[in-house]
Amino acid sequence: ETGVTQTPRHLVMGMTNKKSLKCEQHLGHNAMYWYKQSAKKPLELMFVYNFKEQTENNSVPSRFSPECPNSSHLFLHLHTLQPEDSALYLCASSQGSASGSLNTGELFFGEGSRLTVL
Amino acid sequence: AQSVAQPEDQVNVAEGNPLTVKCTYSVSGNPYLFWYVQYPNRGLQFLLKYITGDNLVKGSYGFEAEFNKSQTSFHLKKPSALVSDSALYFCAVRDIDNYGQNFVFGPGTRLSVLP
Repeated sequence: ETGVTQTPRHLVMGMTNKKSLKCEQHLGHNAMYWYKQSAKKPLELMFVYNFKEQTENNSVPSRFSPECPNSSHLFLHLHTLQPEDSALYLCASSQGSASGSLNTGELFFGEGSRLTVL
Repeated sequence: AQSVAQPEDQVNVAEGNPLTVKCTYSVSGNPYLFWYVQYPNRGLQFLLKYITGDNLVKGSYGFEAEFNKSQTSFHLKKPSALVSDSALYFCAVRDIDNYGQNFVFGPGTRLSVLP
């Protein structure tokens, strides 16, 4: 138990569906992340939220839409996905960085949501 | 920009033997280095980190890592491997741009410990 919970653990969806992935952390952190892990490819950073503000959007297609309503919750809204979007989506959290300070803490990951797009 | 290389896709070692998983890095300032392990169908688990101080860092499950600034390396080691250590290992560096918010991960090394 890492303190980061992702739901659902498995999701199968068609290309025209709309679904959401949810992440919740109980660690008191202020930074949350979405990563994509595909077979035989390095981990890809998708989005970063620091104190609820999006600080990174790593050229992610608009069919992926993040939402961070508070420091404990992070969503990834999915719509009109492609089969190549099938992957393990990992949520992580860490201590946030206030302006001017450097964050050196580690990431805590959830167990991931395995997405299959048909 | 920061980057991490793990030169070996796969490392095989016999149970009871010492293991080493290699990592080299490139950073523009002080390195903040991490090792993670991933078991099948699981998320990544933190093993250890180097921020400053002693070059030999001890972490979870008997793992340790040696920071070598001149060789820009941060190799993961364990004196005696267990079959249960078989997993995917990732080296990562904290990107000091944007106040260290982002991590850059290596491609991963698959460790197989043979009984």
